[in-house]
Parts: sequence; structure tokens; C-alpha cells
Amino acid sequence: QVQLQESGPGPLRPSETLSLTCFVSSDSIRGYYWSWIRQTPGKGLEWIGYIYYNGSANYNPSLKSRVTISVDTSKNQFSLKLTSLTAADTAVYYCARGSTYSDFWNNYYFDAFDFWGQGTVVTVSS
Amino acid sequence: DIVMTQSPLSLPVTPGEPATISCRSSQTLLYSNGDNFLNWYLQKPGQSPQLLIYLGSNRASGVPDRFGGIGSGTYFTLTINRVEAEDVGVYYCMQALQTPYTFGQGTKLEIK
Repeated sequence: QVQLQESGPGPLRPSETLSLTCFVSSDSIRGYYWSWIRQTPGKGLEWIGYIYYNGSANYNPSLKSRVTISVDTSKNQFSLKLTSLTAADTAVYYCARGSTYSDFWNNYYFDAFDFWGQGTVVTVSS
Repeated sequence: DIVMTQSPLSLPVTPGEPATISCRSSQTLLYSNGDNFLNWYLQKPGQSPQLLIYLGSNRASGVPDRFGGIGSGTYFTLTINRVEAEDVGVYYCMQALQTPYTFGQGTKLEIK
């Protein structure tokens, strides 16, 4: 079955940029939505955004001005960049696969995050 | 954003007994195609969340049949017929109808 593995940075300081990559194994990155989700004790689970394998992206408006998600189909991986970090960005960051289904008329719908990475802890501190 | 509200937030259960978790959404999750875009996840201690139920009532692959999801519109429930020790963790509902996708605050199930 598909496996996702996040690459994590070391500790980061306020105002720096977070860069994470998610490696997807055992399955092609094509045909799915690929998301970043983070978890904090205070805000719980927060969806950051997704990228489709063709490169189209959608971001949470609360983070949109600071987020970029990109995909590299040749390497079967996708990446997250989050700029202007503050302590509030301290969280466990997960990558996840978004599955889809089609109806009788061949319309496609996102339905769930069916596979998740193990998560990587990101700490922002001065 | 669609707000997801779960209850209870803490749920102590005796093994073998049933458990029910509720989830309400601030907007209907019933789409015009007849599907309810509501998922349930379980996060076991020290692990990432895992999908239990999608589209309101469909069990994900490998999920035991003691887990069941029902509901429509703005009110949904997750039921565990007979709780086992391995079911401990935090249960989350999530709406998949529109972005930004949003989660409930979580229900922590513990064994009495």
C-alpha cells in the first residue's frame, strides 16, 4: 500500500521559511490530491492546502499569503513552503493523500484523506 | 469556514460496551449528488490519524465492522458496537465538502 514520508527540518527561528518534502512510495502520485495538515495542542488539526498531480493548488485562506505547495511527479514527491514563521507555526506537520471517486457522469469528488505520513515535528523558537 | 463540533470530548468506556460519538456541522454536508461529505478518523496514541469512515457511512479498507457511521445533513454519529482496548485514542470528524477542510476538536476515548 502507499506510504508517505515527510522530511523534517531542524529547529527554526521566527521569520524563517519552513520547507518540507513528502516522498510517496508504492504508488504513483498521479490521479490524487496531496495535502499538508498540521496539528497543535491548541488548534487541533488544521488543513494547510493541497496540490493535484497536475500542479493546481488550493490553500487554506488563513495561511494562503505564506504557503506554497508544489509537486514533482518525476520524483513522486510534493513539498510545502511556509514563510514568515512565528511560534504559532510550531506543530506536527503531516502529509496525506486525498482520494477521489467519480459519479455516473464522470464528475470527480474529493472524499477523504486515506493515507497519512507519520508526521514531523516543527519547532519555531528564538 | 464550516465549523465542526463534537461531543462528548471525553468518553470513558468499559470493554465490550458500545460507544457513540456525535458530530455537528455548521452547514449541511449533504451534496446535490446525495453523498454526505463527512469523514471519521482515529488517532491512536503516538500515531498519525487513520481513516475509519468516509462519505458518512462507508468503512475504509481494513476497518472492523464494529465501527459504523450514520447521519445526514448537519448531524452525524460514529458508533462502536463493542469497544476493545485497541480502540483507545482520539476520534475526529472532518468535513470534506468544501475547502478549507475542517476537523472537529476531537473525542478522547479511554478504557475504564
